[in-house]
Amino acid sequence: DTAVSQTPKYLVTQMGNDKSIKCEQNLGHDTMYWYKQDSKKFLKIMFSYNNKELIINETVPNRFSPKSPDKAHLNLHINSLELGDSAVYFCASSQEGPRTPGGYTFGSGTRLTVV
Amino acid sequence: GENVEQHPSTLSVQEGDSAVIKCTYSDSASNYFPWYKQELGKGPQLIIDIRSNVGEKKDQRIAVTLNKTAKHFSLHITETQPEDSAVYFCAASKGSSNTGKLIFGQGTTLQVKP
Repeated sequence: DTAVSQTPKYLVTQMGNDKSIKCEQNLGHDTMYWYKQDSKKFLKIMFSYNNKELIINETVPNRFSPKSPDKAHLNLHINSLELGDSAVYFCASSQEGPRTPGGYTFGSGTRLTVV
Repeated sequence: GENVEQHPSTLSVQEGDSAVIKCTYSDSASNYFPWYKQELGKGPQLIIDIRSNVGEKKDQRIAVTLNKTAKHFSLHITETQPEDSAVYFCAASKGSSNTGKLIFGQGTTLQVKP
């Protein structure tokens, strides 16, 4: 049983296309996140949802739109993909939620390549 | 803004030696400091964490120390093994209305030579 699962694992697409990445967690956590890992391995938060409510929205282009249909799912839709969007995108969840920090459980990542 | 600096960026040790990775954080309100290990092609995995009311925590070959005054925390791995080779990340967060947000260091690539 995978705790945090992301699909797809690999995504290769052309500039200008629209794509989605899906994430599901079966840990019963209240909070879910999207992080972007660039080519230098740096991890930067993009969004956080607590029980379907957007909590954190970092300085991310509005081409990126997260959607949380329920607290176990957090999807990421990206419009008009650009070369600079190429990265590994990680979904994560945490137990305590935004007011009490705790350890994250990460998914295995989605490697997005824009050509 | 919040910032976490991590050093060194790469570290190579012989099997059986110790490895130390150091981090400093900028926000004195930070109160939670986890360490993650990321193996090739996988997501980061939590290996140990420490909260600001504790100065040191140990779990078998891994230990973390925290100096709140200096805003430093470190990861110590003893008796390193080849399977310890990975990228290690420190992180920090704080308890406020905008928490849950982990600020990560830049990562340290640890190579343990057999």
